[in-house]
Amino acid sequence: KAGVTQTPRYLIKTRGQQVTLSCSPISGHRSVSWYQQTPGQGLQFLFEYFSETQRNKGNFPGRFSGRQFSNSRSEMNVSTLELGDSALYLCASSLVTSGSTGELFFGEGSRLTVL
Amino acid sequence: GENVEQHPSTLSVQEGDSAVIKCTYSDSASNYFPWYKQELGKRPQLIIDIRSNVGEKKDQRIAVTLNKTAKHFSLHITETQPEDSAVYFCAASVGNEKLTFGTGTRLTIIP
Repeated sequence: KAGVTQTPRYLIKTRGQQVTLSCSPISGHRSVSWYQQTPGQGLQFLFEYFSETQRNKGNFPGRFSGRQFSNSRSEMNVSTLELGDSALYLCASSLVTSGSTGELFFGEGSRLTVL
Repeated sequence: GENVEQHPSTLSVQEGDSAVIKCTYSDSASNYFPWYKQELGKRPQLIIDIRSNVGEKKDQRIAVTLNKTAKHFSLHITETQPEDSAVYFCAASVGNEKLTFGTGTRLTIIP
């Protein structure tokens, strides 16, 4: 069974631009979460989508947004990029029930560099 | 919201010795505690998890213990091997709320 696929894998942007990252979850997984990974900060939760609805949200500014489509694929968008947005953005899908958290299956990530 | 602290940030042990990584959490309602391993340049992968109705769980050389009263849980790796070198992340969540991760422990196994 195919794993979680993220595109693009690498990208370079300049300050002020915007970026859209894509994530295709494992077939059958309806939950998709996004994390920002930076050295020393670990995995910072951005948001989670379940059946096209944002179920949880982290403490990131409104420049960070996301959505999920009916086929469970998800996108996240970062507008007005700042140097501090340079990071590895990880997507994870999960086969969860309504009342509990399950194993996260991570993609390889999209490494964003902001110049 | 939930806050997870993880210690130490780096740990070096001789091959064959044991390694222990500790995490504390703030929300007493947290009931799910997974551990993820991330090898260099690779994606994080779940290695073991425990739910709040269990005090200890083992899987071969790895084990996790949970102390709900003190709100801390630990990862124990015995008979360490070179392939255990990686960054380990603990995490905690309540129900189906977001999974909050610790800042990670870089474990180095010295041959």
